[in-house]
Amino acid sequence: NAGVTQTPKFQVLKTGQSMTLQCAQDMNHEYMSWYRQDPGMGLRLIHYSVGAGITDQGEVPNGYNVSRSTTEDFPLRLLSAAPSQTSVYFCASSYASTTEAFFGQGTRLTVV
Amino acid sequence: DQQVKQNSPSLSVQEGRISILNCDYTNSMFDYFLWYKKYPAEGPTFLISISSIKDKNEDGRFTVFLNKSAKHLSLHIVPSQPGDSAVYFCAASEPYKYIFGTGTRLKVLA
Repeated sequence: NAGVTQTPKFQVLKTGQSMTLQCAQDMNHEYMSWYRQDPGMGLRLIHYSVGAGITDQGEVPNGYNVSRSTTEDFPLRLLSAAPSQTSVYFCASSYASTTEAFFGQGTRLTVV
Repeated sequence: DQQVKQNSPSLSVQEGRISILNCDYTNSMFDYFLWYKKYPAEGPTFLISISSIKDKNEDGRFTVFLNKSAKHLSLHIVPSQPGDSAVYFCAASEPYKYIFGTGTRLKVLA
């Protein structure tokens, strides 16, 4: 059972470039979300989804887009990368908001 | 304004002693709380949770206490082991999402 899979694990982007962080889960979870982790800031919610076709903004959504066309996949798009988006990104999924969330291994993104 | 706060960025404890990690929250509507452990270069992993209808939940060496009137929860690890050295995040559940604290780095000294 793979759980939550994120790709890539590492990425370096130049300012202004765009890219997509991939996230896939095989647990048939309805809830999926993206967080970023920065020193001293903890895990901050970027976007979340409560099911295929339904997404909403979290605490820090600016500069990011998401879509949820299937239950399994929840990609995060950086439209025009900025140095402030240098961070570690985690995707998570859960059966419900009152159960544990399972996290991927993370993507370390550096924007130069 | 941060709704879930972990005011101690770090904690050092001797092996075999008790580790107590604290977490405060501001929203009295939160009804489910979780603790996660995170090792470097890995994703957070679930440790233990508690519903607001309880004031204590135990799982082996880990116990979480909830004081709703004080809006405070704590994680006790007894006895602490070197493998417990990690960053610990508390989280509160809202509909459809979780709100995380900033984390406490625990170092268990052998």
